[in-house]
Amino acid sequence: QSALTQPASVSGSPGQSITISCTGTSSDVGGYNYVSWYQQHPGKAPKLMIHGVSNRPSGVSTRFSGSKSGNTASLSISGLQAEDEADYYCSSYTSTSTRVFGGGTRLTV
Amino acid sequence: EVQLVQSGAEVKKPGESLKISCKGSGYKFSSFWIGWVRQMPGKGLEWMGIISPGDSDTTYSPSFQGQVTISVEKSITTAYLEWSTLKASDTAIYYCAVQVTAYAFDSWGQGTLVTVSS
Repeated sequence: QSALTQPASVSGSPGQSITISCTGTSSDVGGYNYVSWYQQHPGKAPKLMIHGVSNRPSGVSTRFSGSKSGNTASLSISGLQAEDEADYYCSSYTSTSTRVFGGGTRLTV
Repeated sequence: EVQLVQSGAEVKKPGESLKISCKGSGYKFSSFWIGWVRQMPGKGLEWMGIISPGDSDTTYSPSFQGQVTISVEKSITTAYLEWSTLKASDTAIYYCAVQVTAYAFDSWGQGTLVTVSS
């Protein structure tokens, strides 16, 4: 299956808000409420930031939020901080019981 | 605390075989699926497959089906990713991760760098 589509890069200034989109199909993003988002800093393992479209794991800042409309999911980050600069990946469950990642988005603060 | 500890970096030649490991601790190992994710140099994450430690039920991405084997040894709470014939294009960091929350990888291993070069 094809990777989910994310913008290659987004940028924002400290304190601002940004949104990263993740577009799939009705066989993945649009068909299930199982979209998750991961943050990866250089040289580090990914970290779960959002699961089930809009749920934050314990310990993740409330500045991070997720949503979905049709075949597109979104990750929003408010009050940007320097530490938010990282790569972000979306992922979705699929109709073949596999999962698929997006191509990744580099956030520059 | 959920912890996944992966085996160390490997340097192999094309055609060789390899099995890397991922040891889970701090949770009920047999109850939660463990997956593997590839990250080629400078590239994004790719979902390879996932295994249920309880019954070894395994699902592979079509891209990796037949290219790797995922297995688990419950008695030592360890999952494995194995290649029978490595290629240069297998050079990557491989992460294991545990799926505690539905269809999301809650905790990740530190990654294993596999370098395949003649």
